[in-house]
Amino acid sequence: EIVLTQSPGTLSLSPGERATLSCRASQSVNSNYVAWYQQKSGQAPRLLIYGASIRATGIPDRVSGSGSGTDFTLTISRLEPEDFAMYYCQQYGSSPPWTFGQGTKVEIK
Amino acid sequence: QLQLQESGPGLVKPSETLSLTCIVSAGSISSSRYYWGWIRQPPGKGLEWIGSIYYSGSTYYNPSLRSRVTISVDTSKNQFSLKLSSLTAADTAVYYCARSLAAAGGGGPLDDWGQGTLVTVSS
Repeated sequence: EIVLTQSPGTLSLSPGERATLSCRASQSVNSNYVAWYQQKSGQAPRLLIYGASIRATGIPDRVSGSGSGTDFTLTISRLEPEDFAMYYCQQYGSSPPWTFGQGTKVEIK
Repeated sequence: QLQLQESGPGLVKPSETLSLTCIVSAGSISSSRYYWGWIRQPPGKGLEWIGSIYYSGSTYYNPSLRSRVTISVDTSKNQFSLKLSSLTAADTAVYYCARSLAAAGGGGPLDDWGQGTLVTVSS
């Protein structure tokens, strides 16, 4: 089973600042099959990025993903008020189980 | 716009079996492009993939839950279902159904989710 470790646990930033979230895998993820999700309180997660760097439908270009192998990054270039939420990475690149990271909370400083 | 809606009991007793159904609307469950899955989230905690199914009936389960989980699909009703047996308090969670793009081996990015349903295991 691939274990995903997200860091930091909490990111305290102001609107307009840049957010950089990390997701490290315990072993290399096949085909860079990593996705990122945003989840707000009381809501289902929303897909942001898949294939490590492909934006999902309707996701603004200030949200980007990068990385390969075991190290992946989600970047939000300029935080908008609606970006303050929990973020999870997920890998789907090898045999099951498809695993999630423990999450990074982006909060208003 | 695809819609997924979970239905089932909100309260289940320990040792019993949970049954949930996900009704898919505004889209066909028989598409070859997607898997259909279940994910859960204990209160205040992270996400756990339970398992997925293809429209043909092929299933993929989390090994940690395999002995207790059954996922099935009914293409005539455009829905799929989850059964989880031998429940304990540790199974208390919000259960989501979701669609994933078919990448490999039952996995893929989850691009559409139901709203989730809270299931509490308690006597």
